[in-house]
Amino acid sequence: DGGITQSPKYLFRKEGQNVTLSCEQNLNHDAMYWYRQDPGQGLRLIYYSQIVNDFQKGDIAEGYSVSREKKESFPLTVTSAQKNPTAFYLCASRGTGWVSYTGELFFGEGSRLTVL
Amino acid sequence: SQQGEEDPQALSIQEGENATMNCSYKTSINNLQWYRQNSGRGLVHLILIRSNEREKHSGRLRVTLDTSKKSSSLLITASRAADTASYFCATDYGGAGGTSYGKLTFGQGTILTVHP
Repeated sequence: DGGITQSPKYLFRKEGQNVTLSCEQNLNHDAMYWYRQDPGQGLRLIYYSQIVNDFQKGDIAEGYSVSREKKESFPLTVTSAQKNPTAFYLCASRGTGWVSYTGELFFGEGSRLTVL
Repeated sequence: SQQGEEDPQALSIQEGENATMNCSYKTSINNLQWYRQNSGRGLVHLILIRSNEREKHSGRLRVTLDTSKKSSSLLITASRAADTASYFCATDYGGAGGTSYGKLTFGQGTILTVHP
């Protein structure tokens, strides 16, 4: 089935360590996004990518990095510079262009990161 | 911040009753979307309403948009226990030349609890 797969679902990290969250989609979508969600809060945009080999900072990019080497993949690295990384991370994708654009985002099931 | 505001923050009703959630935003939009999130899961798109539309229906969902008041409402009729979830509005402010980069701005959500 087509969709977005995030892994791992749960991740524990010690302070000072970098961790990478995986996001893979088989929807043939050009655009991909990373959001962060804190308890009782809405989603805040970390990074987004409209096309392979290009990405843009969102509202809270500090302490995070991404890459977009393949259309299907958009991994997020939470670096040690991120001061409060404990959160629920959501990856999403969207079709673009006149034919595939529907406006809606398709989300993965999320990755919960806890810093010990 | 351009984040929208949702009201109420929490809503508790009995099965069979209607549930109404409201969303306000700050600047002109391209479209407004509603999403649902079950606890600990990813978001699922429910409905999209464009800036030139005033009302839209999808099954038991009815969405209205008042661009003069910069507000939207989501009505769930004949609610069921399975409707228990968090509901988020998301605004698409568009980009240069009217294009949209998919940079949705999410509200903080309404937690809906439907009691059997």
